[in-house]
Amino acid sequence: GAVVSQHPSRVICKSGTSVKIECRSLDFQATTMFWYRQFPKQSLMLMATSNEGSKATYEQGVEKDKFLINHASLTLSTLTVTSAHPEDSSFYICSAPPTSGSSYEQYFGPGTRLTVT
Amino acid sequence: KQEVTQIPAALSVPEGENLVLNCSFTDSAIYNLQWFRQDPGKGLTSLLLIQSSQREQTSGRLNASLDKSSGRSTLYIAASQPGDSATYLCAWISSNTGKLIFGQGTTLQVKP
Repeated sequence: GAVVSQHPSRVICKSGTSVKIECRSLDFQATTMFWYRQFPKQSLMLMATSNEGSKATYEQGVEKDKFLINHASLTLSTLTVTSAHPEDSSFYICSAPPTSGSSYEQYFGPGTRLTVT
Repeated sequence: KQEVTQIPAALSVPEGENLVLNCSFTDSAIYNLQWFRQDPGKGLTSLLLIQSSQREQTSGRLNASLDKSSGRSTLYIAASQPGDSATYLCAWISSNTGKLIFGQGTTLQVKP
């Protein structure tokens, strides 16, 4: 099956700093990628839709100025958590459906665990 | 707004039992449905994808069915094993946007 990677897998940062998380589709192209957030013992919540070559679409309640998304190529989307605070500590996961094909089966990255101290 | 509900929230069974996990959703728009497994602290493993034109999918001891008229899907696990212990998530996928809306998950524990 298709492979999606994320980097880093785990990051600890101090409050007020910014953190960039990368999501890559390794063996397929993805014009669209999705970013999810999962708090402990909760389900995944969609944060935003990342569109190659255009602005991301954010879900209601997600601050676009805090969570910057850049989808610069057909295989890479980045999520930057700006001025991180402890409440941003969470598990961030990206997913991508292959551009070709119509099944909309989603391939997920392994996730990035962010801890803000 | 689409809502996805999973019942039960948690389930503990002895090894060897057959079990059923339930997923229901409110929006009947054209969609696909995908079941995932998540181990503690890990990412998602895709189990089964049911496209809108399908009624069920099978993979090994897993069978997922979809009843569009009632807005429900079930995941059947046959002959459960301790290695099946994990959280199982169902996700409704919009055929228009590809967005996934997840249920809260069912945490399964299979006791040896």
